[in-house]
Amino acid sequence: NAGVTQTPKFQVLKTGQSMTLQCAQDMNHNSMYWYRQDPGMGLRLIYYSASEGTTDKGEVPNGYNVSRLNKREFSLRLESAAPSQTSVYFCASSLAGQEQFFGPGTRLTVL
Amino acid sequence: GENVEQHPSTLSVQEGDSAVIKCTYSDSASNYFPWYKQELGKRPQLIIDIRSNVGEKKDQRIAVTLNKTAKHFSLHITETQPEDSAVYFCAASIAGSARQLTFGSGTQLTVLP
Repeated sequence: NAGVTQTPKFQVLKTGQSMTLQCAQDMNHNSMYWYRQDPGMGLRLIYYSASEGTTDKGEVPNGYNVSRLNKREFSLRLESAAPSQTSVYFCASSLAGQEQFFGPGTRLTVL
Repeated sequence: GENVEQHPSTLSVQEGDSAVIKCTYSDSASNYFPWYKQELGKRPQLIIDIRSNVGEKKDQRIAVTLNKTAKHFSLHITETQPEDSAVYFCAASIAGSARQLTFGSGTQLTVLP
């Protein structure tokens, strides 16, 4: 099993550009999450999906949108990237109420 | 919403000594407290977790204690080894099918040989 996978690994954008971060899991997990990690601030929840067909805002949702494409895939979209969105983005998944497993991360730089 | 504070931000210990990292949380409804280890450039990985119906949990050299009244929980690593060097994050969440984890800011642990 690959676990949680993310693409791309690295991305550089110019201010105003858009992009979609992809996440997939092969563990048959119900719940999926998107976090961002900034230096000295730990991880902060952007959006989550408790189950296929549902999405909810987390702590820092502004500037992002998500799509739970199916049970396996959960994408994060930046419509108009800003330098403040420079960060490392982690996707995670879990069974209901259980341990969250993280993907390898996407390092995004917005110039 | 929930707020989690973590101390210290950096911690250096000699190999073989113990390390203790402390976290406090604000929401008394929180009932799940995981600890994650993140090595440089890698993903966070769960090392131990505790639920609010338990006061202490051990797994080999790692233990976590929880004081619900004071709203704080701690990670204890005994007989530290160089491979324990990493950033450690505590987190808290309330019950739910999807746990919305609120993370502390992390502790950089360095084990000196």
